[in-house]
Amino acid sequence: AQSVTQLDSHVSVSEGTPVLLRCNYSSSYSPSLFWYVQHPNKGLQLLLKYTSAATLVKGINGFEAEFKKSETSFHLTKPSAHMSDAAEYFCVVSEETSYDKVIFGPGTSLSVIP
Amino acid sequence: ETGVTQTPRHLVMGMTNKKSLKCEQHLGHNAMYWYKQSAKKPLELMFVYNFKEQTENNSVPSRFSPECPNSSHLFLHLHTLQPEDSALYLCASSPGLAGARRSYEQYFGPGTRLTVT
Repeated sequence: AQSVTQLDSHVSVSEGTPVLLRCNYSSSYSPSLFWYVQHPNKGLQLLLKYTSAATLVKGINGFEAEFKKSETSFHLTKPSAHMSDAAEYFCVVSEETSYDKVIFGPGTSLSVIP
Repeated sequence: ETGVTQTPRHLVMGMTNKKSLKCEQHLGHNAMYWYKQSAKKPLELMFVYNFKEQTENNSVPSRFSPECPNSSHLFLHLHTLQPEDSALYLCASSPGLAGARRSYEQYFGPGTRLTVT
């Protein structure tokens, strides 16, 4: 069975400092992994995805994530936080199933301090 | 309009009311989803439709009834809801599956904020 763990429910960083949001997964098969962002009162927006190509994945708004199979991790990083990055972030795992099923992590709330 | 749209954006209903949520995708996708997002809880998948056929129903109470008349439209019919059903209901779409097993990212609408009084 697949599952997703986001190790921090809340992360707070100062503007201009690096961001690290941690995600670990378990999967019986070769997974696809995604990060989504949700701003207040908005739907979820895809930040980036890993689908068994390059292990370092670049996304929108300067975010990137590295797939590490040996550590079963897919941590999200950004070199320099911006105020507009304050939002909820979801790590998602999807296996090759017959009905396109995805499992969402519980989310990490990112605060950016001016 | 582009992407995934949902109407209404906000809905307040009594426990005896009947209402429907509407979702429309303009991406040419073949799979559509309903999710429930409650405060302090992980996103819950409710229903999945792939090529208009329902392929997932995660033990959702019968007071929620989905309808997918075509690949572009998805409805969630609501009746005799409970206060604990108050949540943000999100619709999503993805390219879907046709034969080969594939995984695709999902594209989300803005959600309908439902309050049951």
